[in-house]
Amino acid sequence: SAVISQKPSRDICQRGTSLTIQCQVDSQVTMMFWYRQQPGQSLTLIATANQGSEATYESGFVIDKFPISRPNLTFSTLTVSNMSPEDSSIYLCSVLPGGANYGYTFGSGTRLTVV
Amino acid sequence: AQSVTQLGSHVSVSEGALVLLRCNYSSSVPPYLFWYVQYPNQGLQLLLKYTTGATLVKGINGFEAEFKKSETSFHLTKPSAHMSDAAEYFCAVSALTGFQKLVFGTGTRLLVSP
Repeated sequence: SAVISQKPSRDICQRGTSLTIQCQVDSQVTMMFWYRQQPGQSLTLIATANQGSEATYESGFVIDKFPISRPNLTFSTLTVSNMSPEDSSIYLCSVLPGGANYGYTFGSGTRLTVV
Repeated sequence: AQSVTQLGSHVSVSEGALVLLRCNYSSSVPPYLFWYVQYPNQGLQLLLKYTTGATLVKGINGFEAEFKKSETSFHLTKPSAHMSDAAEYFCAVSALTGFQKLVFGTGTRLLVSP
């Protein structure tokens, strides 16, 4: 299975600023997924990032708020823009090495607090 | 489209007791089913998965789950709970074919008392 390095692990940010979260995988993967986990809630898919194409966003999430880059097959970034306290969540990246039957691998998450 | 229902946001057991966490799914296509565990302040770890073949699947840390198509269920069990099992457990489903998005249930927090 793949190993994901996600950083930062946590941050406290001022409202109105932006934070970029990085996700590095130790193997090449076609799709990378970004999830949000709000306090006490389950995981919600933000978007899917394929290398060389625009990310596909889920309903309720927009590119202006959560721009994603996917410059190669091992790396992706998610930016949380113009943050408000409602953006305080854990953000996780995930990959699908070898197909869904192998299971999704998750990064350790970024715990974001907006003050 | 897929969806997952986890009955019980909290389950409390005593150490040594049976653990049963319930998961029912809805899928218009044959599903892949997963259980993930999240320990405090950590990411998600795959406990076990069902793709095809044997309907009783064994995972890490003594957990197992049985895929019952007729009941659209994938309940997670462990014969004897340990204090270290206290965590949040998520059931998830994805499609066997097509766009393989992972859809999560709302999670069940397992509390283990001495």
